[in-house]
Amino acid sequence: EIVLTQSPGTLSLSPGERATLSCRASQSVSSIYLAWYQQKSGQAPRLLIYGVSSRATGIPDRFSGSGSGTDFTLTISRLEPEDFAVYYCHHYGGYRPFGQGTKVEI
Amino acid sequence: EVQLLESGGGLVQPGGSLRLSCAASGFTFTNYAMTWVRQAPGKGLEWVSSISNGGSTTYYADSVKGRFTFSRDSSKNTVYLQMNTLRVEDTAVYYCAKGASGWSGDYLDYWGQGTLVTVSS
Repeated sequence: EIVLTQSPGTLSLSPGERATLSCRASQSVSSIYLAWYQQKSGQAPRLLIYGVSSRATGIPDRFSGSGSGTDFTLTISRLEPEDFAVYYCHHYGGYRPFGQGTKVEI
Repeated sequence: EVQLLESGGGLVQPGGSLRLSCAASGFTFTNYAMTWVRQAPGKGLEWVSSISNGGSTTYYADSVKGRFTFSRDSSKNTVYLQMNTLRVEDTAVYYCAKGASGWSGDYLDYWGQGTLVTVSS
C-alpha cells in the first residue's frame, strides 16, 4: 500500500512569495502517475498538474511540478491572492492514494 | 463545457442504503472512465471507486469493497454509486470526477460539486 505524505501541513506566506509543497511516497512510484489538485474552501478540487509536471488546461505557468521516485514537489513561483487554498498530491494508476493536503494560508 | 451533476445524497441510518447519481454532459461519455472520491467533514480526499469507459472494469477502495457498487448507463450519460450497509464513517461529501481517458486509473480532469451523505442514527 502506497502512502503519500505531504509537508508541511500548513504553509503561511504572503502574496508574491514562493511556495514549495512536498509530497513523499512510502515507496517508489511510477513517476508519470503523480497529480496535484487545488481545493478552495467550499469548492470541488481542481486539477493543476498531471504526469508530475504537465500543467492542466488553463493553469497559469506560476504553477510547476517536479520530482521522481518517492519525492515530488509543487512550486508556486509567486503567490496570487487566489492561490491560497489546500493542495493535494495524488498517485493514480493502480492503487490511488491522495496525500493528506497542504494548506497555503496568508 | 464539461458538467458533472451529482445527486442522491442525504441522511440515512447506519446499515441503510443510498444510491448516488452523477449526470455528465459536455463530453463523449462512452470515451471516458469515471471515479468517485469522497471527503469526510474537515478531512482530506479519499478515492472510493473507478469504472472504465465501457463499464466492464471497476475498482474499489478496501473501505467500501463489498458494500458499494459503481455502474454506468451510457443511454443516460449517468454513473451511479449504490451504497449498502452504510456506516457512520461513510459520512462525507461524495464527488464524481471524470477521468482523462477511458482507462480507469487515469488522473481526474473534471470534478462535480459533490453531494453530502450523512450516516447517523
